Amino acid sequence: EPEVTQTPSHQVTQMGQEVILRCVPISNHLYFYWYRQILGQKVEFLVSFYNNEISEKSEIFDDQFSVERPDGSNFTLKIRSTKLEDSAMYFCASRGPSGQPQHFGDGTRLSIL
Amino acid sequence: AQTVTQSQPEMSVQEAETVTLSCTYDTSENNYYLFWYKQPPSRQMILVIRQEAYKQQNATENRFSVNFQKAAKSFSLKISDSQLGDTAMYFCAFMIYNQGGKLIFGQGTELSVKP
Repeated sequence: EPEVTQTPSHQVTQMGQEVILRCVPISNHLYFYWYRQILGQKVEFLVSFYNNEISEKSEIFDDQFSVERPDGSNFTLKIRSTKLEDSAMYFCASRGPSGQPQHFGDGTRLSIL
Repeated sequence: AQTVTQSQPEMSVQEAETVTLSCTYDTSENNYYLFWYKQPPSRQMILVIRQEAYKQQNATENRFSVNFQKAAKSFSLKISDSQLGDTAMYFCAFMIYNQGGKLIFGQGTELSVKP
């Protein structure tokens, strides 16, 4: 069964540095998402992406964050000037047409030191 | 704004028994989808079951079934014949049809299945 792939599985970064989290969605999916889960808390929506542009973003997704689909397969989340509170699990998800469930990657655990 | 509430932070059940996890939601929309996702200790997010709001029939997937009460905005998950591998955090989630499809999650219920 096709999977959403995320790399790296664990990223450790110094505060203030930039980090790029990578995702390869399922190949025939058209909708892409990033979510964040701070340890022990619920999963929070960050941003959705469709037709090469952001379709919706949450209040969390401020100027520190950006997303890109640089080629036909990768979908990246960039976090600039990382802060301690950016430490979390970041999930990428993708889905097919409306109503289809989102398929999640295994997540990237981001640790900011 | 849409909200999802899971009022049971933790639950436990004996192996082979049945357990029901509660979820309520709030929305003014009429067309939406509801999901239950499972998150084991490995922290993967695994789809358990989904329900279309326009369908009156409750969804079932093997040992997992839902009780969808649209008027009451309730969407509970029943796990029959609980297995040790069912131990996980369970999240209820909501998605509006045709609005970008973001998922709104509840706070989660941590389920422990005891031998």
